Amino acid sequence: GAVVSQHPSWVICKSGTSVKIECRSLDFQATTMFWYRQFPKQSLMLMATSNEGSKATYEQGVEKDKFLINHASLTLSTLTVTSAHPEDSSFYICSADSGNPFGAKNIQYFGAGTRLSVL
Amino acid sequence: AQTVTQSQPEMSVQEAETVTLSCTYDTSESDYYLFWYKQPPSRQMILVIRQEAYKQQNATENRFSVNFQKAAKSFSLKISDSQLGDAAMYFCAYSLNSGGGADGLTFGKGTHLIIQP
Repeated sequence: GAVVSQHPSWVICKSGTSVKIECRSLDFQATTMFWYRQFPKQSLMLMATSNEGSKATYEQGVEKDKFLINHASLTLSTLTVTSAHPEDSSFYICSADSGNPFGAKNIQYFGAGTRLSVL
Repeated sequence: AQTVTQSQPEMSVQEAETVTLSCTYDTSESDYYLFWYKQPPSRQMILVIRQEAYKQQNATENRFSVNFQKAAKSFSLKISDSQLGDAAMYFCAYSLNSGGGADGLTFGKGTHLIIQP
């Protein structure tokens, strides 16, 4: 149980285009999902918290107009990188909180990540 | 703001031996969670162990155990009988228990664990 699927695993795009990344909880409902960014050989940095049916909460320094987050259902959150530029190239990872179905709160299960390369 | 510090960028251990990874954190909160996550070369984050701050008993999961010292704000991970498959980056992480919805994780910089055969 507690499987989180993230798609695509790798995307290459031209500068100025937009890219959408999907994060799905496959066998549980996730009221809350999170988006992290990881630079090479560095740690994960929380970008935003995504709650189903409401606006995402962004961490300080994260441009909400650049990184659009939509959490339309209890199993799907999307991150859209708008007008991508080379400095947006990074590894993006989503996670979903397991919540009550597994009897323990605040356990995050992670997707496999998306490598974004902007040319 | 919460901070998590891992002072060991890299650790090496012989297969079958025991290794301890260090983690300290800073918070003014009293109710929170601490985690150790493993990130192998595939970059898939895997939960190793979880500790609830209000529980005094140290969490254990098979070969993995923690030494949680709340007053010292220390949370070390002990891996017993190290196996080649344990080789990975290990991240210590903190999450506030706000009492409402789930809270995001604050990660340390990670420790690269090498297992020598």
